[in-house]
Amino acid sequence: AQSVTQLGSHVSVSEGALVLLRCNYSSSVPPYLFWYVQYPNQGLQLLLKYTSAATLVKGINGFEAEFKKSETSFHLTKPSAHMSDAAEYFCAVSDNTDKLIFGTGTRLQVFP
Amino acid sequence: GAGVSQSPSNKVTEKGKDVELRCDPISGHTALYWYRQRLGQGLEFLIYFQGNSAPDKSGLPSDRFSAERTGESVSTLTIQRTQQEDSAVYLCASSLAGQNTDTQYFGPGTRLTVL
Repeated sequence: AQSVTQLGSHVSVSEGALVLLRCNYSSSVPPYLFWYVQYPNQGLQLLLKYTSAATLVKGINGFEAEFKKSETSFHLTKPSAHMSDAAEYFCAVSDNTDKLIFGTGTRLQVFP
Repeated sequence: GAGVSQSPSNKVTEKGKDVELRCDPISGHTALYWYRQRLGQGLEFLIYFQGNSAPDKSGLPSDRFSAERTGESVSTLTIQRTQQEDSAVYLCASSLAGQNTDTQYFGPGTRLTVL
């Protein structure tokens, strides 16, 4: 069965600092991987997705993620955090029955 | 265009009552999903519709949970004889064709509180 592990339920960074949110997956088939963001009192919004094309995926709001098969990882990064990036971030993998398997989420806090 | 909508946004009910949660997917999307998000946890898959059939119901936690979909439109998730452990945010998502690579678009959710 496929699964996703997000290390760190809470991450705090200063405004302007690098953001790194970790995601590792387990899959017996080539995975499709997604990062979603959930702002307070809003629904989930897709940040980016990996669908077996380029391993470095660029998303909205300056985020990007790199698929590393050897490390079974799909970490999310942003070079410079903004206050508006404060939200909860979910990594997800798509299994071969089409549903998404989600990690438990990482709450990002950005301090001025 | 309009996104996925859900109603009600909040529902408070007493233990043992039945509740119905509604989802309106994006027009033209054939695939529809229900997920549950308990406090402090990730999203938990409940059921997947392709058109009005449900090829994957594996996530429904008990026979108190059921869902139906009318054509490629509205879906209703029904929870009978609600229990306190049913308290959660119930999220609906739709995608164009249900392919593994399709983006799932999420609604804002229904927050269910069972007293």
